[in-house]
Amino acid sequence: AQSVTQPDIHITVSEGASLELRCNYSYGATPYLFWYVQSPGQGLQLLLKYFSGDTLVQGIKGFEAEFKRSQSSFNLRKPSVHWSDAAEYFCAVGVNAGNNRKLIWGLGTSLAVNP
Amino acid sequence: DADVTQTPRNRITKTGKRIMLECSQTKGHDRMYWYRQDPGLGLRLIYYSFDVKDINKGEISDGYSVSRQAQAKFSLSLESAIPNQTALYFCATSFSGANVLTFGAGSRLTVL
Repeated sequence: AQSVTQPDIHITVSEGASLELRCNYSYGATPYLFWYVQSPGQGLQLLLKYFSGDTLVQGIKGFEAEFKRSQSSFNLRKPSVHWSDAAEYFCAVGVNAGNNRKLIWGLGTSLAVNP
Repeated sequence: DADVTQTPRNRITKTGKRIMLECSQTKGHDRMYWYRQDPGLGLRLIYYSFDVKDINKGEISDGYSVSRQAQAKFSLSLESAIPNQTALYFCATSFSGANVLTFGAGSRLTVL
């Protein structure tokens, strides 16, 4: 079955520390991969995406993610976290569904940042 | 102005009432979606529309209906609201084939 797993429900890091949020998927082919961020009281915003090509992708706000086919993973990283990065982070996978693609969402990782 | 506007942003209603959540967009996207977000359950797709004449059920459409009044407008209705429909509802849009969603700010619905 197609699925997306974000193993960490909640993560707390100190401001300035590095961050890695994990995302694993189950799908028989190479999917489209996305990370979205939801700040408190707001809608989701695209951080970055992978469709093909270079497996290390750069996004907004200093985030990057690496697609590792052998591990079925697409982990999100940031070298130095800012207090404004506190938010909910969602990984999503686009899989083939007939003539279209459908998105399968992870349940999210809540990030808290200590001053 | 926001690219995707949802109204109302907050609504409290009673069981059995009819509720409509509205979504309008200025992105010029052809595809529109309604999602529901519940704590611990992530995002679940209610309905989606690829154009004005194409409306499709998502994974949790029971108890909901939609109307695509124009390319830029997509409304979600709860004909007879029940408490377990208390949730945060998101409208999203995309350009066909792009798979990248633009979300509204959300409509928080509480059914008492």
